[in-house]
Amino acid sequence: KQEVTQIPAALSVPEGENLVLNCSFTDSAIYNLQWFRQDPGKGLTSLLLIQSSQREQTSGRLNASLDKSSGRSTLYIAASQPGDSATYLCAVRCLGAGNNRKLIWGLGTSLAVNP
Amino acid sequence: DAGVTQSPTHLIKTRGQQVTLRCSPKSGHDTVSWYQQALGQGPQFIFQYYEEEERQRGNFPDRFSGHQFPNYSSELNVNALLLGDSALYLCASSVGLAGGPNEQYFGPGTRLTVT
Repeated sequence: KQEVTQIPAALSVPEGENLVLNCSFTDSAIYNLQWFRQDPGKGLTSLLLIQSSQREQTSGRLNASLDKSSGRSTLYIAASQPGDSATYLCAVRCLGAGNNRKLIWGLGTSLAVNP
Repeated sequence: DAGVTQSPTHLIKTRGQQVTLRCSPKSGHDTVSWYQQALGQGPQFIFQYYEEEERQRGNFPDRFSGHQFPNYSSELNVNALLLGDSALYLCASSVGLAGGPNEQYFGPGTRLTVT
């Protein structure tokens, strides 16, 4: 059974810092992995999608890496800004029987960037 | 291009009542998935609709049912509401059955409160 874990659960940093959010998954038989942002009480915004054959994806100040063999992904945020404050969720799309095509989610990392 | 839209934004119901939530997918998308997100938790997959049929279902009771219309929009119905059904209900759309390289785009969600 696929399980997705995100560490840390919460993070508070001063503005300008570079930071790394971690996501780990137990079953490497994945189709892809997505990072999402969620503002309080709001829906989800897709940030980056990494296919299982890819190692990383970049969008602006965001860079996501994927190491399927070790079951890990990291989201790197450069030069953090107060507007980056949100919960960041990692979701894995599985290939395995019983989980086929489903997105399995972590609980998220709550990020606060202080001015 | 309108993204995924959901209605209503907020809803308050009483235990035992029935509720219908609505979702219009992003233009060009034909697949709709529904998720339930309790406070502080990651989204939980409810079910997915493609070609007007339920294609996959998560671990939710039969009180949760859905429908997809020829224009790809979808409804989520919940009968005999329980206090524990209070959550943010998220709709996501994509192209084709999930499992392909296609991202899911999420709507803003409907906040359901059961009293």
